[in-house]
Amino acid sequence: QVQLQESGPGLVKPSETLSLTCSVSGGSISTHYWSWIRQPPGKGLEWIGYINYRGYTNYNPSLNSRVTISVDTSQNQFSLRLSSVTAADTAVYYCARVYCDGDCYPDRHFDSWGQGTLVNVSS
Amino acid sequence: IVMTQTPDSLAVSLGERATIHCRSSQTVFYNSNNKNYLAWYQQKPGQPPKVLIYWASTRASGVPDRFSGSGAGTDFTLTISSLQAEDVGVYYCQQYYSSPPRTFGQGTKVEIK
Repeated sequence: QVQLQESGPGLVKPSETLSLTCSVSGGSISTHYWSWIRQPPGKGLEWIGYINYRGYTNYNPSLNSRVTISVDTSQNQFSLRLSSVTAADTAVYYCARVYCDGDCYPDRHFDSWGQGTLVNVSS
Repeated sequence: IVMTQTPDSLAVSLGERATIHCRSSQTVFYNSNNKNYLAWYQQKPGQPPKVLIYWASTRASGVPDRFSGSGAGTDFTLTISSLQAEDVGVYYCQQYYSSPPRTFGQGTKVEIK
């Protein structure tokens, strides 16, 4: 059973860069696609982007200029960087695995999620 | 693709049926494999979302059979045939047909009447 765990600072100052890591256990990161999704307090879900083990990425256009997702296969983890943050970036950030049924494609649902980590953007 | 759910919230008596609708602004049906790229998730307070249904009507592993999904193209429905106390939460539909971006509905809050 794969498990995902987000880690990183819970408080980031405005204009700085938010950095989070998702550690994957119980399975190899060198299969599947992996995503970041966020949820502002009391609101709905927003997809941030995905990556595969080869580093192929795709980002939400609304965040494209500020977001970078990277992968470290040696550590079995992937990371999110979001630059120039504002209060609007305050949210619970989830990492998630994209479902794979044999051949792995990015256009599938999310079948495993981390517990999420709350990041507050405040001075 | 914009996903719109109705209603925003509903209160249902225990044992009664709950129905949630989801409409996409364009089709999420892929002709080449005859599949609708639509999933439903349940989110309980303080927890991450959990997939219930994918391919619009395929129940995920371990999901009780009181949950069912139907629909095609742009109109979809999640039905809870007999609401249980543990089903309280927020339900989201999500399309994975087009990217970027993957998009979710705004959520439907289900409560006990």
